[in-house]
Amino acid sequence: VQLQESGPGLVKPSETLSLTCTVSGGSMRNYHWTWVRQPPGKALEWIGYIYYSGSATYSPSLKSRVTISVDTSKNQFSLKVSSVTAADTAVYYCARHCDSGSYCYWGQGALVTVSS
Amino acid sequence: DIQMTQSPSSLSASVGDRVTITCRASQSINSYLNWYQQKPGKAPKLLIYGASSLQGGVPSRFSGSESGTDFTLTISSLQPEDFATYYCQQSDSTPWTFGQGTKVEIK
Repeated sequence: VQLQESGPGLVKPSETLSLTCTVSGGSMRNYHWTWVRQPPGKALEWIGYIYYSGSATYSPSLKSRVTISVDTSKNQFSLKVSSVTAADTAVYYCARHCDSGSYCYWGQGALVTVSS
Repeated sequence: DIQMTQSPSSLSASVGDRVTITCRASQSINSYLNWYQQKPGKAPKLLIYGASSLQGGVPSRFSGSESGTDFTLTISSLQPEDFATYYCQQSDSTPWTFGQGTKVEIK
């Protein structure tokens, strides 16, 4: 199983950050798919996850600005973060859930910088 | 939210040393504790899931244990490729939270 993030690397403040994760080498069925981010030099932060059927759960700290969606026909899931600020600058990772809610497959990460 | 307090934040060790990293949960997490290794510029790599189960392909020098709300990652004999940052993560209840990380450096 391989995951690959794609999307703009630069987003202006107040605009919407959009990323897509493309899954290859396996089916999306019966798994949860997650977004995690890591600001430069800081720890990992869980953003939320979505089940292949479309049910999503978000971090309360981001819930008002985040939408995660899935398109199993394209083997993709996506992240949107609205009204971004410099605090949203981070490497964004997509990942697949495995045993005990762990993440055993990760994308390589996509750096998104919020700047005018 | 469940807080994960990881210690130490950094440590210096030599090749061959036994290294222990601790993660304390603010409440019971029913063994839903995972450990990751992250090297600079790379995605995290799963080492241990369910507090003590070794992920496939991970060397047996890595082990995990638990005692109540305290969880420990042990590297029995540190190897050159083990110098990295380690994170714990609880997956018992959302929002799933990570520890602040432990950077293992060369002494």
